[in-house]
Amino acid sequence: QVQLVQSGVEVKKPGASVKVSCQVSGHAFHELSIHWVRQAPGKGLEWMGGFHPEEFETVFAQKFQDRVVMTEDTSTGTAYMELQRLTVEDTAVYFCATGGQGYLDSWGQGTLVTVTS
Amino acid sequence: DIQMTQSPSSLSASIGDRVTITCQASQDINHYITWYQQQPGKAPKFLIYDASNLEAGVPSRFSGSGSGTHFNFTINSLQPEDIATYYCQQYENVPRTFGGGTKVDIK
Repeated sequence: QVQLVQSGVEVKKPGASVKVSCQVSGHAFHELSIHWVRQAPGKGLEWMGGFHPEEFETVFAQKFQDRVVMTEDTSTGTAYMELQRLTVEDTAVYFCATGGQGYLDSWGQGTLVTVTS
Repeated sequence: DIQMTQSPSSLSASIGDRVTITCQASQDINHYITWYQQQPGKAPKFLIYDASNLEAGVPSRFSGSGSGTHFNFTINSLQPEDIATYYCQQYENVPRTFGGGTKVDIK
């Protein structure tokens, strides 16, 4: 059973960057496609991007394309999502999830990122 | 982008009731829709894929149906532990898009 454990709460100032980690266990990391989804307070789910095996590349939602970086460290089985040039509207819980088939079948516990001056 | 219109946005039902949630896609997505359950303060939980296939371990009172642009998600005999918000998501193409969610509570 795949388990995803994310890093802890972050508080950032506007204009800063945040990097959230997602450590994967229970499955061969290289066989997984990691995606990132966020949820603003009281709002719905928003897909940010993820690895698409059919294109063999990471694809991003257009609104994040120029300020998000998604990387992986296969030696430790850890995925990272860095969001740059933060604004207060980026305050949200950020989730990592596995989703090679298109649906997201295992999720991390979420990381709260608060952007405040 | 494919828009997923989910309805209703909230509903109240009694224990044992049958509950149905609808998702309408803005274009044909074949059967590439999945459903999640999110309990308060928790991560979403994967329930159904390919419109109607139940993930292993998910109770059989949950079901999904539909193809093309119109999809239903049903809870047969609502239980107290089903209190949650439910989301649909299409994976016919990128970007993956979610419905707005349906909050289910007990009447």
